[in-house]
Amino acid sequence: DAGVIQSPRHEVTEMGQEVTLRCKPISGHNSLFWYRQTMMRGLELLIYFNNNVPIDDSGMPEDRFSAKMPNASFSTLKIQPSEPRDSAVYFCASSLDRGQAGHIQYFGAGTRLSVL
Amino acid sequence: SQQGEEDPQALSIQEGENATMNCSYKTSINNLQWYRQNSGRGLVHLILIRSNEREKHSGRLRVTLDTSKKSSSLLITASRAADTASYFCATAPPSGYSTLTFGKGTMLLVSP
Repeated sequence: DAGVIQSPRHEVTEMGQEVTLRCKPISGHNSLFWYRQTMMRGLELLIYFNNNVPIDDSGMPEDRFSAKMPNASFSTLKIQPSEPRDSAVYFCASSLDRGQAGHIQYFGAGTRLSVL
Repeated sequence: SQQGEEDPQALSIQEGENATMNCSYKTSINNLQWYRQNSGRGLVHLILIRSNEREKHSGRLRVTLDTSKKSSSLLITASRAADTASYFCATAPPSGYSTLTFGKGTMLLVSP
């Protein structure tokens, strides 16, 4: 398996523009996570999907952020409009949830977002 | 809020030495996991220890868990330059869904 695939790897945009980050989880995994990593705040969970359904979006900063998972093999994280403080590395991770807590997560390589 | 807090924040050692990193957490857990992150890469799972386990080994890695003190340690023996990375502990809640809470990490530098 190719692992979790994220695109793009790098994104540079101007304030106010819409940004869409994409993720393809590992085939067969039923849980998907979006994280944001910054030096100041570390790794923060933004949203968690289980079987394509959003379970916990309490980490989504504000209404400018939205995430979708239309099927088991694809998810997007959208920021509209983007702001300089959104600059960070965004990671997608997936896992196989067998009904117990705390399964191993497999991370993509991340998208480094710079909002000018 | 951060559940796991690693200590030290940064560690610099020579090749061949052992590296020890600690993690403290605040609430009950199902398991505790350690991940490694190389510069510019995603996190990679290293080892998982369940709440009813006290010690676990994997190659040059040794993890201990003390649930009474709510702490864990990761020992890397005979370190190599390739071990240079950031190391994170992550805690899983006792029940419920699969979310993990990550600490801010320990940055390890192994010099040749």
